[in-house]
Amino acid sequence: QITLKESGPTLVRPTQTLTLTCTFSGFSLRTTGMGVGWFRQPPGKALEWLAVIYWDDDKRYSPSLKSRLTITKDTSKNQVVLTMTNMDPVDTATYYCAQRRIRGKHWFDPWGQGTLVTVSS
Amino acid sequence: DVQMTQSPSSLSASVGDRVTITCRASQGIGTSLAWYQQKPEKAPKSLIYDASTLQSGVPSRFSGSGSGTDFTLTISSLQPEDFASYYCQQCASFPLTFGGGTRVEIK
Repeated sequence: QITLKESGPTLVRPTQTLTLTCTFSGFSLRTTGMGVGWFRQPPGKALEWLAVIYWDDDKRYSPSLKSRLTITKDTSKNQVVLTMTNMDPVDTATYYCAQRRIRGKHWFDPWGQGTLVTVSS
Repeated sequence: DVQMTQSPSSLSASVGDRVTITCRASQGIGTSLAWYQQKPEKAPKSLIYDASTLQSGVPSRFSGSGSGTDFTLTISSLQPEDFASYYCQQCASFPLTFGGGTRVEIK
């Protein structure tokens, strides 16, 4: 069974850096073709893709957020970490991680339960 | 970037109704399209990939069609558990982009 779970702070102050961890089980990022993506969803709004990292350490970022995002993996811990700098209240959202499991296919399943991050002073 | 436009943004339907949701891409994406279902306060769940391939375990009342720029998600007979929001996502190129979502509500 494949599971993913996001963890990190629920409240972040403006200008601070957000660090989120996706801890997964049931697959390995050492396996060819595997990937983990990050997404977010502001309250009442649509989904937005943020970043993805692959088994070979290839990384892709949303161009609109690229300057603020860093995605890394720790294969020994089965974790993927997303950092987002200079947080702003508009970054308030539920953040999700999800598995990319077929090489060359950029859809994601399953997803973690999500973690709500509020940016407020 | 490929812009994804979903319609309608919401709809009201009754159990047993046939429901159709459309998704239009701003440029051709072949069949690189996925559909997700999201229930309130829950994570998205993948329903369909490659425009028309059902994920394992997804009921056969769900179907997807289309290629190029125009795509459709159809629920042949709406069930109580299908009341949710639905999102399309283009998988053809980065940045990956989603439609604005369609909320399916009970009439």
